[in-house]
Amino acid sequence: AQTVTQSQPEMSVQEAETVTLSCTYDTSESDYYLFWYKQPPSRQMILVIRQEAYKQQNATENRFSVNFQKAAKSFSLKISDSQLGDAAMYFCAYRTYLNSGGSNYKLTFGKGTLLTVNP
Amino acid sequence: GAVVSQHPSRVICKSGTSVKIECRSLDFQATTMFWYRQFPKKSLMLMATSNEGSKATYEQGVEKDKFLINHASLTLSTLTVTSAHPEDSSFYICSASNPRGTTDTQYFGPGTRLTVL
Repeated sequence: AQTVTQSQPEMSVQEAETVTLSCTYDTSESDYYLFWYKQPPSRQMILVIRQEAYKQQNATENRFSVNFQKAAKSFSLKISDSQLGDAAMYFCAYRTYLNSGGSNYKLTFGKGTLLTVNP
Repeated sequence: GAVVSQHPSRVICKSGTSVKIECRSLDFQATTMFWYRQFPKKSLMLMATSNEGSKATYEQGVEKDKFLINHASLTLSTLTVTSAHPEDSSFYICSASNPRGTTDTQYFGPGTRLTVL
């Protein structure tokens, strides 16, 4: 079974600075997806970024980028120019690539990292 | 991204009653929907996977007779908490995806806060 580990329960960053959230995972599969989701105080889960394991290029979405190290099974999220609205719980998640439908598409979540942005 | 709605956003009920929560995909057909439970400051715990037109697959430890799931159409799944008790009080979140289509990422609803008195 796959596991996802987020070793930082809490992180803080100054507004406009850069912060990196870490995530490691364990799997025996070669093809899979990795995600970062954000959950602000409203508790709405929002997709931040997604990475396909077969792609060597790191995914980026505006101020958000990942450092995907497949051999090390590491998937960190970098937030540049942090804004007050970035304050949230961030979850790293893994999903298998198996094309068999149903529960094979379920996400395995880490425990989350609570990010505080200081003005 | 795709939009998923949930209704109601919060519900308070008496112990012993049943509560139904709806999850709708508004702008795509969701062949697969997932139901999660989340305790305060904790991660999401998957309860079950729901495929349109077939029986839901429940995670180990989740009582299927307690948490009834129906996925009758490509845009609607419902979770019914039967004979609710205070320990069922929690935040319930659904997500929807279309793994074989263009929406194979899970998109989440805004959640439902259930309080059982």
